[in-house]
Amino acid sequence: DSGVTQTPKHLITATGQRVTLRCSPRSGDLSVYWYQQSLDQGLQFLIQYYNGEERAKGNILERFSAQQFPDLHSELNLSSLELGDSALYFCASSSSRDRGWGEQYFGPGTRLTVT
Amino acid sequence: GQNIDQPTEMTATEGAIVQINCTYQTSGFNGLFWYQQHAGEAPTFLSYNVLDGLEEKGRFSSFLSRSKGYSYLLLKELQMKDSASYLCAVNGDQAGTALIFGKGTTLSVSS
Repeated sequence: DSGVTQTPKHLITATGQRVTLRCSPRSGDLSVYWYQQSLDQGLQFLIQYYNGEERAKGNILERFSAQQFPDLHSELNLSSLELGDSALYFCASSSSRDRGWGEQYFGPGTRLTVT
Repeated sequence: GQNIDQPTEMTATEGAIVQINCTYQTSGFNGLFWYQQHAGEAPTFLSYNVLDGLEEKGRFSSFLSRSKGYSYLLLKELQMKDSASYLCAVNGDQAGTALIFGKGTTLSVSS
């Protein structure tokens, strides 16, 4: 158990809909990361938040957005869903803000299926 | 651009030694990580290299050559439970500590 929690575990929804994925980091970790893993693309970085502020952005679509709240939990919002958004979405946390040693601890993931 | 290459699949037998290679081309370098991921589960941290050389941790070792943009993960005394995907990831010079992952090497260990 990494100490990172994610809900829900599974989500099935229709194209065009909007969903929210939730993540609680390990106790004491200020950085939260979101990753998308699909069979053909592998694990892709979406976005990082540190202590409530956006720190780094990766291959995140404009239809996707995230935020980190004062209690450090984070939410990833996916809207206007398409079939290609079906994937495993992982949240990870670490104590690091920037470069250097920063082992990331991954949550169990949310499997999103868009039908 | 940023590119991380690993073999797609490898097979080995119990008790053997296997080496999984990773080559990378990234904008800057601030460390290389290896993660293990069993099917449908979260990646778990195995090792971290930021300086050239070998880091040993039990049955697993990881090597880095920054000048060659090359790393390998060495797994000794293979066990069936080592069957998993092994992900090479680099922290480049982008802001934050986000990791750029390779597509992973699926290792199958047979008896």
